[in-house]
Parts: sequence; C-alpha cells; structure tokens
Amino acid sequence: AGVTQTPRYLIKTRGQQATLRCSPISGHTSVYWYQQALGLGLQFLLWYDEGEERNRGNFPPRFSGRQFPNYSSELNVNALELEDSALYLCASALVAGIGEQFFGPGTRLTVL
Amino acid sequence: DQQVKQNSPSLSVQEGRISILNCDYTNSMFDYFLWYKKYPAEGPTFLISISSIKDKNEDGRFTVFLNKSAKHLSLHIVPSQPGDSAVYFCAASARGGGATNKLIFGTGTLLAVQP
Repeated sequence: AGVTQTPRYLIKTRGQQATLRCSPISGHTSVYWYQQALGLGLQFLLWYDEGEERNRGNFPPRFSGRQFPNYSSELNVNALELEDSALYLCASALVAGIGEQFFGPGTRLTVL
Repeated sequence: DQQVKQNSPSLSVQEGRISILNCDYTNSMFDYFLWYKKYPAEGPTFLISISSIKDKNEDGRFTVFLNKSAKHLSLHIVPSQPGDSAVYFCAASARGGGATNKLIFGTGTLLAVQP
C-alpha cells in the first residue's frame, strides 16, 4: 500500500484548527509535509524522522505536527486563515536524507 | 526567491512526438534532481531522478538530462502518449549536507498530448 492521507477533503472556518493525518509506506521512517496553494508549486512544510522534527519550511508556528512511534504523522494548523486553503501533501521516504519521496493523494483543506 | 524554475507553464505535443520539459535551478548545492507527474486530485508520482554525478538517466520512454554548468535539466518523453497528459514538476534537493533532503519544487508544466 502507498501513502495514505485522511481526510481527503476538509472544510473549516477561519480561526478553527485543522488536523490532517498521514500513514507512510510500510518500512518508511521519514515523513514530509508539503503545501500546494492554488497556482503555486509545492512548498516544503515539515520533515519528521524517527519521531523527531528534522526541518521545517518558511511557515508560521501555527503550522505544527508530530510523528508517532508507528511513523504515521499528523499536521496541525491552528488559527486557520483563508490563505491556508490548499492541497496538503504528505510524502514518505525509506531512508532519511536520501532516496525518492513517495506522495499520498493529499488533503484538500478549504477555509471559509 | 524561486530556486527551481519551470518557465513554461504549459506544453502541447502531438501523440508519438517527443515532449521536452525544461527546468532551471539557481542553487549550486543541489545534487539530486527528480521529476514527478501529477494528475488532478492525486499526489505527485515519482518518475525519474538523476544525481549530479551523472549527466543522463534513462528509464523506458523517459530520459532526464542534466547540464550542471548551465544549471539546467530536461525531461524527454519519447514517444509521447495521451496518458502522459499531466502536470510535471521538477524538484531538487541538496543531499550532500546530510541535514535534510527536503525537495524544492518548480511550479510545474502542464503537458497536453494531443491524439
């Protein structure tokens, strides 16, 4: 099985919190989160490996997450703003720092 | 500052002909490059990659060429098929540093292969 993400679609209102979930490919320990806003390319958000946050992109602290002992991951977005509406993609890799990243189908977050 | 650039937002090619997608980068620390294909409502699918120690990598109908001096890479699809119609993203990472292999993506090129 590939990378799975839930939910596929999420609608929230401004100021609320959103939680997105990702399960990596079995055996992969690294999980990456990317944001694809309308008309833009994929922007790197966060990288988790072995339960630790290894790096984060140029996003405000209200974007946070964690990785669980089974290597699944959760992305939390607090105090949602309209511009947070985007496709959020999770990717996993077998070995941290090398190798291709394999993507899930994404969660489409809409903030009203 | 866009470190990875795909200057052609779209490309239209006839079925059976060659599709050439281009990508330029500015960061000389990048040492690993990848191409992904993305259909609407799906995540990107890995296509092919190339390390900076090589100048060409081939996989079936897909070939990636890397010109380090020009900081340019290209993806050739031969022959093009209607099912290749998708958005193609170029991505780069700096693996040598060891700290991360976060991918820096270009903005994508929409390829339309006409039957």
